[in-house]
Amino acid sequence: AQKITQTQPGMFVQEKEAVTLDCTYDTSDPSYGLFWYKQPSSGEMIFLIYQGSYDQQNATEGRYSLNFQKARKSANLVISASQLGDSAMYFCAMRGGNTNAGKSTFGDGTTLTVKP
Amino acid sequence: ETGVTQTPRHLVMGMTNKKSLKCEQHLGHNAMYWYKQSAKKPLELMFVYNFKEQTENNSVPSRFSPECPNSSHLFLHLHTLQPEDSALYLCASSQEEGRSNQPQHFGDGTRLSIL
Repeated sequence: AQKITQTQPGMFVQEKEAVTLDCTYDTSDPSYGLFWYKQPSSGEMIFLIYQGSYDQQNATEGRYSLNFQKARKSANLVISASQLGDSAMYFCAMRGGNTNAGKSTFGDGTTLTVKP
Repeated sequence: ETGVTQTPRHLVMGMTNKKSLKCEQHLGHNAMYWYKQSAKKPLELMFVYNFKEQTENNSVPSRFSPECPNSSHLFLHLHTLQPEDSALYLCASSQEEGRSNQPQHFGDGTRLSIL
């Protein structure tokens, strides 16, 4: 079985500041992938960033970076220089590699509000 | 513009109606998914198709009937739905099922309201 936990239902950040959204996971698979998605109020889910369980370096995509701490089973999303358009719900997800091959599990999400 | 297109964007139907949701992906993927997203509930996986074959039915009631005629198209046929079926229905695709390093690409969703 695999599980994703996002403990922050809602977060606020001032425009231009950085924010960290927390994600912890649990899995019995030695190989897995971790993902973050953004869902604006319009509904579409947008893929942001991916981290493989064997990747040595933390993933980065523009203003998004993933703080991967394997021993702590955490995969926090860091958004730098927040913009008003970053206001949305953010989902952490994982896909298993062995017993949970390809199976996707999503967290409950964190609603981020960027203040001007 | 996304590589996964869902129609319609909004649907209002009575409990006795029959309607279908359509999903089309232009990404050359082989796996397609239906998810249900209700207010204040986590994303629920409904069905998975891999190379046109259904690989997962997550205990979904029979009033939801999926159809995958080819790797690019996925339908969700709806009949005699209940008010609790009102939700956002999201379609997604990925290169193929069973790979942990592949993200899913989602459509914009269909907001379904059951009267």
